[in-house]
Amino acid sequence: GAGVSQSPRYKVAKRGQDVALRCDPISGHVSLFWYQQALGQGPEFLTYFQNEAQLDKSGLPSDRFFAERPEGSVSTLKIQRTQQEDSAVYLCASSLNGKYEQYFGPGTRLTVT
Amino acid sequence: AQSVTQPDIHITVSEGASLELRCNYSYGATPYLFWYVQSPGQGLQLLLKYFSGDTLVQGIKGFEAEFKRSQSSFNLRKPSVHWSDAAEYFCAVGLYNNNDMRFGAGTRLTVKP
Repeated sequence: GAGVSQSPRYKVAKRGQDVALRCDPISGHVSLFWYQQALGQGPEFLTYFQNEAQLDKSGLPSDRFFAERPEGSVSTLKIQRTQQEDSAVYLCASSLNGKYEQYFGPGTRLTVT
Repeated sequence: AQSVTQPDIHITVSEGASLELRCNYSYGATPYLFWYVQSPGQGLQLLLKYFSGDTLVQGIKGFEAEFKRSQSSFNLRKPSVHWSDAAEYFCAVGLYNNNDMRFGAGTRLTVKP
């Protein structure tokens, strides 16, 4: 079946612009996760949804980062007033529920110039 | 502090040689343990996982890992490496469940012909 998809795959933004990154999880997966992966590093947890409820947003680095999943399927990660330090790959993952392994999308590479 | 450590940033092995990638964790309880592989420009693919039971787990692509509680380790092994195994490998740990998964910094594997 279809895996986790993310769009766009690449995004270049000028500093100060707002960006929106989309994640389509595997159909039927209740849990959805966002991670930030800086160059040469492992993914770092940003936020977690169970259906439409955002249960954990402790990893969001600042109030410029906002995520939503209004209908419990597709999710959007929004970054306002982008800064150079926001340059990274943003990974989305989904799982059947919190007890099972996460399946990752290919990521969106964000470059802030 | 809770942490996941992959001591080796980069490992080079010859094709056909055996491989062991190290992973140590620091948590108060026995966590859920995972190994993921990431090829350039790709998302993370789950190789294997340990939740409970037999401490030697088999995964895809001929990989296995052994959980050693006394050493807080979950090392990944493969008896004979193939050129296609060249990639970045990440150890990940989840406490209680995998809603709060934390990743190591990764080990880059290079395979010599």
